[in-house]
Formats: sequence, C-alpha cells, structure tokens
Amino acid sequence: GAGVSQTPSNKVTEKGKYVELRCDPISGHTALYWYRQSLGQGPEFLIYFQGTGAADDSGLPNDRFFAVRPEGSVSTLKIQRTERGDSAVYLCASSSAGTRSYNEQFFGPGTRLTVL
Amino acid sequence: AQSVTQLDSQVPVFEEAPVELRCNYSSSVSVYLFWYVQYPNQGLQLLLKYLSGSTLVKGINGFEAEFNKSQTSFHLRKPSVHISDTAEYFCAVSVFPGGFKTIFGAGTRLFVKA
Repeated sequence: GAGVSQTPSNKVTEKGKYVELRCDPISGHTALYWYRQSLGQGPEFLIYFQGTGAADDSGLPNDRFFAVRPEGSVSTLKIQRTERGDSAVYLCASSSAGTRSYNEQFFGPGTRLTVL
Repeated sequence: AQSVTQLDSQVPVFEEAPVELRCNYSSSVSVYLFWYVQYPNQGLQLLLKYLSGSTLVKGINGFEAEFNKSQTSFHLRKPSVHISDTAEYFCAVSVFPGGFKTIFGAGTRLFVKA
C-alpha cells in the first residue's frame, strides 16, 4: 500500500516569506508526527497529533511555526516569516492508534526547505 | 529529559568486516530504543527496536543490537558488512509507556569500502 507522502519534495523561498508543507499519512493512521532534520543532525521532534488535536507541540521552536490536521488525516506545517535558520528537511511520520503500547512510526521522504 | 549520544560521527570499514555503531542514552524513566537507517535521498527506515524482553534484538539486513541497562547503551552490530550498508544510522529513544516523542541521536555515517 501507499506510504507516507510529503509535498513538495523541495521548496525554495526567500527570507520573510510564508510556506506550507503538506503530509499525507498512511490511510487509517491516527497518529501523525513532524520532525525537522538540519544538515548533519538527527531528526528533531516538532509536534505530534492524535486525530485532529495536537497532543504534544513541545518541539515547535517558536510561534512562527504552526501545524494543523483539521480532518484527522492530512496535516500541514506552516512557517511564517521564514528565516535562513529554518532551512532543513522536514519529515513527517504516521502510526496506527494506541496510547499504551508501541506503534511503529513510518516516515515520509521529507520536504527539503531552503530559505535564501 | 531523554537524550541520545552516538559516539562516532563516521565509521569507515572494509567490506565483509564486522562493525559496531555505538549509542548511549540517558533517561530517568523506562524507554523504548530504536535504530533507524537512512539511505541517500531516502526516508528513515526502522532497522530494529527494543521494547522489552530479550536484550539482544535482531533486525533487518543482518543487524542486531544489545540493550545494556546498566551501561545505558544500545550498540548496533553486524558481523559482515556489504557495500550496500553504506548509509546514515540513527539511534533513538521514546518514553515508555505512552510516549510518542522520539529523540534521535546525531547519526553515524557508515561508509563501507571495497
């Protein structure tokens, strides 16, 4: 079946602009995660959704970053007033439901964001 | 808070030689432990995981890892590597139970030479 997909695969923008990054999780997966991977680093947790609600947004670096998942499926990560330091690969992952046991996270290929 | 330290940023090794990629973690609570692999221009793929039970876990592509609670380590090993194992490897932890926030190490670049 289809895996996690992310669009666009690459996004180049100018400092100060607004960007939206989209994630389509695996069908039926209620949990969705966003991570940011800077060059030479491991992925850094940003936010986790269970259904439509953000269950943990403690990784969002500041109020320029916001994510939504209005229907409990597709999610959009929104970055306002982009800065050069926002340049990274943004990864999305999804997993099946459950809060008491482990559920494997399946990762998408990522969106490479470059802020000039 | 949890943290993960991968002790080697790069590991060059000859084909068919054994390899060990080191990982140490810190946590005040029980954790799940993972190794992920990232091939060039591809997404992260789960290599293996430790949830509970036997401390020696086997994963895909002939890799295995051993959980050592007293040393808070989860080193990854393979007895004989192939050129195709060249990739970035990430160690990660997630809080148990109910935790979904996964903390990753900085990664180890495994470079297999002919």
